[in-house]
Amino acid sequence: DAKTTQPPSMDCAEGRAANLPCNHSTISGNEYVYWYRQIHSQGPQYIIHGLKNNETNEMASLIITEDRKSSTLILPHATLRDTAVYYCIVRVNNAGNMLTFGGGTRLMVKP
Amino acid sequence: DSGVTQTPKHLITATGQRVTLRCSPRSGDLSVYWYQQSLDQGLQFLIQYYNGEERAKGNILERFSAQQFPDLHSELNLSSLELGDSALYFCASSTTGASDTQYFGPGTRLTVL
Repeated sequence: DAKTTQPPSMDCAEGRAANLPCNHSTISGNEYVYWYRQIHSQGPQYIIHGLKNNETNEMASLIITEDRKSSTLILPHATLRDTAVYYCIVRVNNAGNMLTFGGGTRLMVKP
Repeated sequence: DSGVTQTPKHLITATGQRVTLRCSPRSGDLSVYWYQQSLDQGLQFLIQYYNGEERAKGNILERFSAQQFPDLHSELNLSSLELGDSALYFCASSTTGASDTQYFGPGTRLTVL
């Protein structure tokens, strides 16, 4: 699976949009971009995933650049409960289905 | 709530002992994955089962073993425990074990004294 690069930490003001970047410059054509988050020591929570089109669900939006070398997870109106470590993972779309977690981005939402 | 359940929530034991962690996947999911999260190693994949059969293996120690039963629940057995085995152990499940999304349970915190 391709490696990803994320900033180790970010701050965001409550109520503002949180934009979390991820670089995956070696991504291949059949790899999806997945985002998970982990709040404190809870189990990782699935947020969203995409291949090349932008995606949106009730939690977040995922913007993938046209060359697919980077993406941005957008939390439109961050709340204190969004404080967590956010993991960007790229994953081959077939066998060997484990998730490879990097260091992630620690997002701190401040009042 | 992801629908994946794990028991126990916490486990405290001594070095050299053996423990069993249990995972029940979401209803309808055939695949179960085990991950370990320690302070110095981050989240690491251990092993995957699909419909009772081992499908993929990660950095799982020989002292660790797992199985998936006919009712699709899974158990992770850790033996000859060492201090370094203290960690959070997460189970995840997915529908087919292919490229579909994995949903994680709340984890078991293992402390080896």
